[in-house]
Amino acid sequence: AQSVTQLDSQVPVFEEAPVELRCNYSSSVSVYLFWYVQYPNQGLQLLLKYLSGSTLVKGINGFEAEFNKSQTSFHLRKPSVHISDTAEYFCAVSVPGGGDMRFGAGTRLTVKP
Amino acid sequence: DTEVTQTPKHLVMGMTNKKSLKCEQHMGHRAMYWYKQKAKKPPELMFVYSYEKLSINESVPSRFSPECPNSSLLNLHLHALQPEDSALYLCASSPSDRGRDEQYFGPGTRLTVT
Repeated sequence: AQSVTQLDSQVPVFEEAPVELRCNYSSSVSVYLFWYVQYPNQGLQLLLKYLSGSTLVKGINGFEAEFNKSQTSFHLRKPSVHISDTAEYFCAVSVPGGGDMRFGAGTRLTVKP
Repeated sequence: DTEVTQTPKHLVMGMTNKKSLKCEQHMGHRAMYWYKQKAKKPPELMFVYSYEKLSINESVPSRFSPECPNSSLLNLHLHALQPEDSALYLCASSPSDRGRDEQYFGPGTRLTVT
């Protein structure tokens, strides 16, 4: 079965600094990869997704991610973060024909002034 | 309308009560999901419905009973729950369950079992 590992449980950064949230996946077949954000007491919102094609994916709120098949990674980046980016970020994986999306443990991004 | 709605927002129930959670979407999505999320943990898949039929049951205890009355509605019936069942219950929908579709999440129902 497919799975994802988020390498950092917490990432503190200062406002306007760049940030990278790391995600590695495991699967014996091709994968679809997603990044979701969850603000306190809310549901999850999609930031971006990789299905196929270009390995650099751009999402909402200035986030982007790069799919690297050789390193089985899908790291999320933002060149300059804002206080409002403080939230929990989840990497998720699914496979063709599979109805079960699997989430990583999450990374808590805290942006400090 | 790209919204998934869930009611109630909060629910407190005793271990002998019977209650139901409701989820609704009007995006024409044919797959709907229930997740359980404990504090500081990722969502855990409970059930998947595809075209109103249960397609995945992740070995969830029988005290949780899902129901999909039509393509827009998803219910989760609760009976004889335990305190450890206290969690945020999230509903989601997607155009299909073929894996490539993003899931749209509702805001969740915060359940407390006393």
